[in-house]
Amino acid sequence: GDSVTQMEGPVTLSEEAFLTINCTYTATGYPSLFWYVQYPGEGLQLLLKATKADDKGSNKGFEATYRKETTSFHLEKGSVQVSDSAVYFCALSEEGFQKLVFGTGTRLLVSP
Amino acid sequence: DAGVTQSPTHLIKTRGQQVTLRCSPKSGHDTVSWYQQALGQGPQFIFQYYEEEERQRGNFPDRFSGHQFPNYSSELNVNALLLGDSALYLCASSSMIVSNQPQHFGDGTRLSIL
Repeated sequence: GDSVTQMEGPVTLSEEAFLTINCTYTATGYPSLFWYVQYPGEGLQLLLKATKADDKGSNKGFEATYRKETTSFHLEKGSVQVSDSAVYFCALSEEGFQKLVFGTGTRLLVSP
Repeated sequence: DAGVTQSPTHLIKTRGQQVTLRCSPKSGHDTVSWYQQALGQGPQFIFQYYEEEERQRGNFPDRFSGHQFPNYSSELNVNALLLGDSALYLCASSSMIVSNQPQHFGDGTRLSIL
């Protein structure tokens, strides 16, 4: 079945450092890919998405490119802030935007 | 424009009891999905409702059941609660008609089983 694998955390960075969180996926078809963010005590917020190969999703300084050849969707940000501290989930959906399959999440901790 | 709302926020039950969680979808959405998020894990898909019918189901036992009402709101019922049912239960809504729109999540219900 479909699956998503994320790098284990926590990822600990200083403010203004470069961020990469790796995500790879296994799917039978051509899924849509997502990054969601979860702040403490809250639900999931969509951060960015990409629906086909070579698409780049971007939002709030975060970017991720849909790489079909490496089945990857790595999350990057050039300069992190303390307010970016949260848990980040990579996810896919085979059938448009319906059932989501999530990775286990990566906790990001940014210190001043 | 209200987003996805869930109630209650927190709930404490004992083993063997039954629980009902509630969800109101974002305005304009007609599809509701439920997810279980155990501590330190990613959300796991339980099932999805559209037009008052269960359309998809994940790998969860029959103790987990649901309902969707004509106003698109939904309930998740869990019978014979086990300690392992302790988790954050997330509701997500979307539109079946409008394609390429992502799911919107509520803040969840934290269920603790004693």
